[in-house]
Amino acid sequence: ETGVTQTPRHLVMGMTNKKSLKCEQHLGHNAMYWYKQSAKKPLELMFVYSLEERVENNSVPSRFSPECPNSSHLFLHLHTLQPEDSALYLCASSQRGRTNTQYFGPGTRLTVL
Amino acid sequence: TQLLEQSPQFLSIQEGENLTVYCNSSSVFSSLQWYRQEPGEGPVLLVTVVTGGEVKKLKRLTFQFGDARKDSSLHITAAQPGDTGLYLCAVATGANNLFFGTGTRLTVIP
Repeated sequence: ETGVTQTPRHLVMGMTNKKSLKCEQHLGHNAMYWYKQSAKKPLELMFVYSLEERVENNSVPSRFSPECPNSSHLFLHLHTLQPEDSALYLCASSQRGRTNTQYFGPGTRLTVL
Repeated sequence: TQLLEQSPQFLSIQEGENLTVYCNSSSVFSSLQWYRQEPGEGPVLLVTVVTGGEVKKLKRLTFQFGDARKDSSLHITAAQPGDTGLYLCAVATGANNLFFGTGTRLTVIP
């Protein structure tokens, strides 16, 4: 089983749809992250969960709602998105407190019509 | 807000050529990481440098951390098509998160 998996790999949704992105890590890490990667911007940290508690929310609009039911799973619930939300959404995990190294999933390419 | 500027933003070279990409900031860092992101994948850690002036080699890749720990360079010798990707530098923030640079997108033409 690969380290960090994400589903779906590609998603097209309308502005009124509700969808969810899923991330699963098989590395036994204690922290998980959501990042947004747009074409012309650096990788942007969205949310951080450490030991299943959200420890950071970088001023992300409320139309993005994260959920971390356990240390291995992370979701990003999406509703009433805007076209500018189209991007690659990357999930990562790490062993927070021991190392800064993050292990990334392959990402979900999201297109909002 | 700290900023990690990477240069060049885009680089397209022929197979076999050498190249250097840079990661610069006005801030001092305790450590710096380099990641490579291949098309359709997430970033993967290449190296972590922690000491000012440190040089690390990974096959044909040579990483250097500046003496003042504000900047870093990545030199690739005899580039191959498999080196194609987005190269990202990253530093740890006070909150134990990573802050990423603007990236250099490298294309190696066979």
